[in-house]
Amino acid sequence: QVQLVQSGAEVKKPESSVKVSCKTSAGTFYNYAFSWVRQAPGQGLEWVGGIIPLFNTTTYAQKFQGRVTIRADESTSTVYMELSSLRSEDTAVYYCAGDKARDPDYFETDLWGQGTTVTVSS
Amino acid sequence: DIQMTQSPSSLSASVGDRVTITCRPSQFIGNFLNWFQQKPGKAPKLLIYAASRLQSGVPFRFSGSGSETDFTLTISSLQPEDFATYFCQQNYNTPVTFGGGTKVEI
Repeated sequence: QVQLVQSGAEVKKPESSVKVSCKTSAGTFYNYAFSWVRQAPGQGLEWVGGIIPLFNTTTYAQKFQGRVTIRADESTSTVYMELSSLRSEDTAVYYCAGDKARDPDYFETDLWGQGTTVTVSS
Repeated sequence: DIQMTQSPSSLSASVGDRVTITCRPSQFIGNFLNWFQQKPGKAPKLLIYAASRLQSGVPFRFSGSGSETDFTLTISSLQPEDFATYFCQQNYNTPVTFGGGTKVEI
């Protein structure tokens, strides 16, 4: 059964960085398009960006450009999202999500990880 | 970015009721519209994809309709396990965007 397994909760200081991981199987890694989606407490869903290893493409939402880096490590079948210059508004649950890759800039979110809580507090 | 306007933001309903939720994108998205259900503390779950296609394993009381700029999620007979928050999502282009959510309460 295909799974996305995320790293554990993080507590960070303002202006620092956080790196969240999302591990899957080798077969899923090469055939999937992965998205990162966040949800602030009591709020809706917000797409941060995505990566498609098959096409070697990465796309970021304009809002996060310059602050977010998403990369994929084929040796461990793991996708990472790093967010820098953290502020209190970045406190949220961050989800890894994905589905089969179809196009270099097309993302579906059928399968979801369990979520990683990132808390930004001084 | 494509804005997704979802309504209502919340609704009260009873078991057995027919429930309808609407989603309107700010521009044409074809049928690239998906619906998710989310329960507290859980990841979203895909219910409907491509506007009207039922995801495998999802009960037939859920249905989706519409196209281009007007979409609807219908629950034909609300069950106790359906009390949750529902989101629409467009993946016509990036950034992928979501509606604000509809909380279905008793």
